[in-house]
Amino acid sequence: GAGVSQSPRYKVAKRGQDVALRCDPISGHVSLFWYQQALGQGPEFLTYFQNEAQLDKSGLPSDRFFAERPEGSVSTLKIQRTQQEDSAVYLCASSWGGLAGVVRQETQYFGPGTRLLVL
Amino acid sequence: DQQVKQNSPSLSVQEGRISILNCDYTNSMFDYFLWYKKYPAEGPTFLISISSIKDKNEDGRFTVFLNKSAKHLSLHIVPSQPGDSAVYFCAARGVWNFNKFYFGSGTKLNVKP
Repeated sequence: GAGVSQSPRYKVAKRGQDVALRCDPISGHVSLFWYQQALGQGPEFLTYFQNEAQLDKSGLPSDRFFAERPEGSVSTLKIQRTQQEDSAVYLCASSWGGLAGVVRQETQYFGPGTRLLVL
Repeated sequence: DQQVKQNSPSLSVQEGRISILNCDYTNSMFDYFLWYKKYPAEGPTFLISISSIKDKNEDGRFTVFLNKSAKHLSLHIVPSQPGDSAVYFCAARGVWNFNKFYFGSGTKLNVKP
């Protein structure tokens, strides 16, 4: 079956430009996560959705970062006025999360990521 | 301040031998730990996990050991195969937030034929 897909796979932006990164989770997955992975580092949590509700956005580095999942499936991560330090791979992951908070030990399925380069 | 650390950026092992990847953490409130494997240009894929109520979990060639007193976990791969060559990340989650995972910086494993 289809896994998590992300688009675009690569994005080059000029400093100050706005970008939008898309994530298509596995169909039926309730939980959706965004991570930022800088070069040579591990993924760093950005935000978490349960269906359309953004329950945790504690990892978003600034108010230039905004994420949404309006219908509880596809999600978009938007970065406004991009800066060079935003250059990273942005990973999306989804999990079933059918009993969030009860079924705690669930596998996250990651997409291939979007590599963003800000010049 | 990084709460999950993988201090070895790389590891090289001969095919057929054991690979041991290490991970240290600082937060005693972490209660669930995972290992992910990542190939180039792909997202991480789940490998094996362990709950803090256990000290060992085994799945085929992969075994994860947890030493809570030392705040240390390790992944053993026996026997190592060339297809195991990848970057391995350990991750942890705390009792205070089921949905926030903390990742280490990864260890690149190279298994030589």
